[in-house]
Amino acid sequence: EDQVTQSPEALRLQEGESSSLNCSYTVSGLRGLFWYRQDPGKGPEFLFTLYSAGEEKEKERLKATLTKKESFLHITAPKPEDSATYLCAVHDQTGANNLFFGTGTRLTVIP
Amino acid sequence: SAVISQKPSRDICQRGTSLTIQCQVDSQVTMMFWYRQQPGQSLTLIATANQGSEATYESGFVIDKFPISRPNLTFSTLTVSNMSPEDSSIYLCSVDRGGTDTQYFGPGTRLTVL
Repeated sequence: EDQVTQSPEALRLQEGESSSLNCSYTVSGLRGLFWYRQDPGKGPEFLFTLYSAGEEKEKERLKATLTKKESFLHITAPKPEDSATYLCAVHDQTGANNLFFGTGTRLTVIP
Repeated sequence: SAVISQKPSRDICQRGTSLTIQCQVDSQVTMMFWYRQQPGQSLTLIATANQGSEATYESGFVIDKFPISRPNLTFSTLTVSNMSPEDSSIYLCSVDRGGTDTQYFGPGTRLTVL
């Protein structure tokens, strides 16, 4: 069965203090790894899709990377508006269509 | 991306009643998904809804409890039947644009069952 483990569960950063969030996964053939941002009371907002080891994607202060066992979401010089829960999900090659989600990292950026 | 709306945005319901949640997409999509996010937990897929066929339910979810309709390529409903407090969750619909495997989510429906 697919497994996705995110760490840490919660992270508090000072504004401008860069850090990384981790997503470790076990799947029967990775078809795609997805990062989402979720604000309180809202649905997840799509950030990135990564398909193969070595791939990197960037968007503003966020950079996602992928290896064969894990993905990192690097946050450079975060701002308070980056505060949210960041979710990682995987899609495997079994033919099923669902995403399997981790429990997320709750990020708080303090001004 | 896709513009997805859900109704209602939130509701408080009594035990034993049913609630139907609507999901509307701004363009035609083949696949729509319904997820549940229980308090403090991550998203769990309830079922996949394709237009013109019966919904496919994940392990632990049954049609009698969560009937789904998919009358056309832009709309779906999920009904939570005979509710109990354990059904208190956020219910989310999502769509796959096709060919990308990327799912885009609606804003969610926050359900509280008393």
